[in-house]
Amino acid sequence: NAGVTQTPKFRVLKTGQSMTLLCAQDMNHEYMYWYRQDPGMGLRLIYYSASEGTTDKGEVPNGYNVSRLKKQNFLLGLESAAPSQTSVYFCASSYSTSGGYEQYFGPGTRLTVT
Amino acid sequence: GQNIDQPTEMTATEGAIVQINCTYQTSGFNGLFWYQQHAGEAPTFLSYNVLDGLEEKGRFSSFLSRSKGYSYLLLKELQMKDSASYLCAVRDSNYQLIWGAGTKLIIKP
Repeated sequence: NAGVTQTPKFRVLKTGQSMTLLCAQDMNHEYMYWYRQDPGMGLRLIYYSASEGTTDKGEVPNGYNVSRLKKQNFLLGLESAAPSQTSVYFCASSYSTSGGYEQYFGPGTRLTVT
Repeated sequence: GQNIDQPTEMTATEGAIVQINCTYQTSGFNGLFWYQQHAGEAPTFLSYNVLDGLEEKGRFSSFLSRSKGYSYLLLKELQMKDSASYLCAVRDSNYQLIWGAGTKLIIKP
């Protein structure tokens, strides 16, 4: 089992460019999440998905879009990158949002926008 | 607003015991998680508390007091590999995790 994988691992963008981050999980989890992690701050939820074909906004959705066309994949798009989107992006998945079911995280994507 | 507070950094000695505190104010409470995150890596799950009291798992224990909005993570017999950040997260009334900024733990020989 690979768990949660993310591509790419690193990326440098110029302001205004677009890109898509891909997350894949092989644990048959219903729930998937995209977070960003910035120095001195907790993980912040960008978007999440409770099932294939559904997505919902998290705390900081502006400037991002997502899609979950297949249960195992969750894509995060940046349509017009801004320097404020320089961050480490983590994808996570979980079996449930209740009980002791933890979130499993991918290795992260380090994005720099210049 | 929702808030989770943890010390920014702590230092401890190899072989010793350290307690990392977490206080929270959230809209609702549906459990508290502790994660470990080594530098440059992904967070990994350590413990879960939903009822008051102590949960023990090997060298790591986690305590919860819901009435005080307080939790701590206790690490015993510290090893150099325990040098990492420790993240406290509370599941709120919407069943989403609210994360603290993390406590960087430095272990000295």
